[in-house]
Amino acid sequence: ETGVTQTPRHLVMGMTNKKSLKCEQHLGHNAMYWYKQSAKKPLELMFVYSLEERVENNSVPSRFSPECPNSSHLFLHLHTLQPEDSALYLCASSQDYTSDRAVYAFFGQGTRLTVV
Amino acid sequence: SQQGEEDPQALSIQEGENATMNCSYKTSINNLQWYRQNSGRGLVHLILIRSNEREKHSGRLRVTLDTSKKSSSLLITASRAADTASYFCATDERGGANNLFFGTGTRLTVIP
Repeated sequence: ETGVTQTPRHLVMGMTNKKSLKCEQHLGHNAMYWYKQSAKKPLELMFVYSLEERVENNSVPSRFSPECPNSSHLFLHLHTLQPEDSALYLCASSQDYTSDRAVYAFFGQGTRLTVV
Repeated sequence: SQQGEEDPQALSIQEGENATMNCSYKTSINNLQWYRQNSGRGLVHLILIRSNEREKHSGRLRVTLDTSKKSSSLLITASRAADTASYFCATDERGGANNLFFGTGTRLTVIP
């Protein structure tokens, strides 16, 4: 148990559906991340929030919409996804985003998303 | 791209043998970390080595870093079946934010 919890663990959705992924951490961390993990590809950093402000948006399609209502919670809202968006979506948190100190990332167990 | 690249992509060994995985990266870094991922689960941090360090140990893990070659290796000694997982290196860019860039990983299978 890393202290980062993601729900749901599995999600199947149609291309016209709207769903949300949830991530929660009670580690007192200031930074939270969404990663996408597809087969045979490196983990793709999607979004970064630092102190509840979005600081990175790595050319992610607008059908993915993040939300960080407070420092402990992070959402990824999904709408009109494509089958190629099927992947494992991982949330992570770290103590700081910009710091000279080494930063360890704590990952959730992921949400396995299948778009049909 | 700053992303690390692990080598080999897959490795299969007998229990008790040592496993060595390598990672190469492209730009100057602050730190290099190794993570482990069990199938379909989240990543778990294993060990971090700073750019001014050359070797680090943690239990059965030994990590080396050669900044001149921009490479690192992870050695797992006396492997166990429970070590079966994917292993990723992650780097963060010197002078940049603490974004971690991961490779595609090495899939290690330890045969009992």
